[in-house]
Amino acid sequence: SAVISQKPSRDICQRGTSLTIQCQVDSQVTMMFWYRQQPGQSLTLIATANQGSEATYESGFVIDKFPISRPNLTFSTLTVSNMSPEDSSIYLCSAGQFTYEQYFGPGTRLTVT
Amino acid sequence: ELKVEQNPLFLSMQEGKNYTIYCNYSTTSDRLYWYRQDPGKSLESLFVLLSNGAVKQEGRLMASLDTKARLSTLHITAAVHDLSATYFCAVDPRNYQLIWGAGTKLIIKP
Repeated sequence: SAVISQKPSRDICQRGTSLTIQCQVDSQVTMMFWYRQQPGQSLTLIATANQGSEATYESGFVIDKFPISRPNLTFSTLTVSNMSPEDSSIYLCSAGQFTYEQYFGPGTRLTVT
Repeated sequence: ELKVEQNPLFLSMQEGKNYTIYCNYSTTSDRLYWYRQDPGKSLESLFVLLSNGAVKQEGRLMASLDTKARLSTLHITAAVHDLSATYFCAVDPRNYQLIWGAGTKLIIKP
């Protein structure tokens, strides 16, 4: 299994600013993903973080709003840019190998005021 | 559009009872996942079902997969309070990018 940590665990940000969320895995993993979860709701995949190339975004999510980096096999960042209150959510990082298991980080709870 | 439907979305039950959560999905999928989420916590992997007819059990939870019917079930046997949580199913139509059900909030009363 993989142990995933995220920083920060929570933040309160002002409208128009940006926040970068870090995701660290304790071992090298093939795949890393970023999800968004509104409190009490399901998860929506934002993008696949590809090592050494641009992230692959799902419909409704764009790179200008959610730039993602993945410099190596254990680390990724998600930036939420030019935030608005609608971006208030929990952001989750997940990681996995081609053994089908996906493990999730503890999440970052973002509130935009 | 791929849809994943769970039912019920909310379930309140007494300890000792049995119940089943259903997960229907609208297209072919290589894998079916079940996760548990406690309030304010992240997701814990319960089961990964890889093929038609797959059945996995852990304690009081048993999951099964029927790919022909595009249906998975999570059966709870003799429920105990500690199983109270929200349970999500998710399918993997491509490259491990999971599509999620809405979740079933399970409350088990002592």
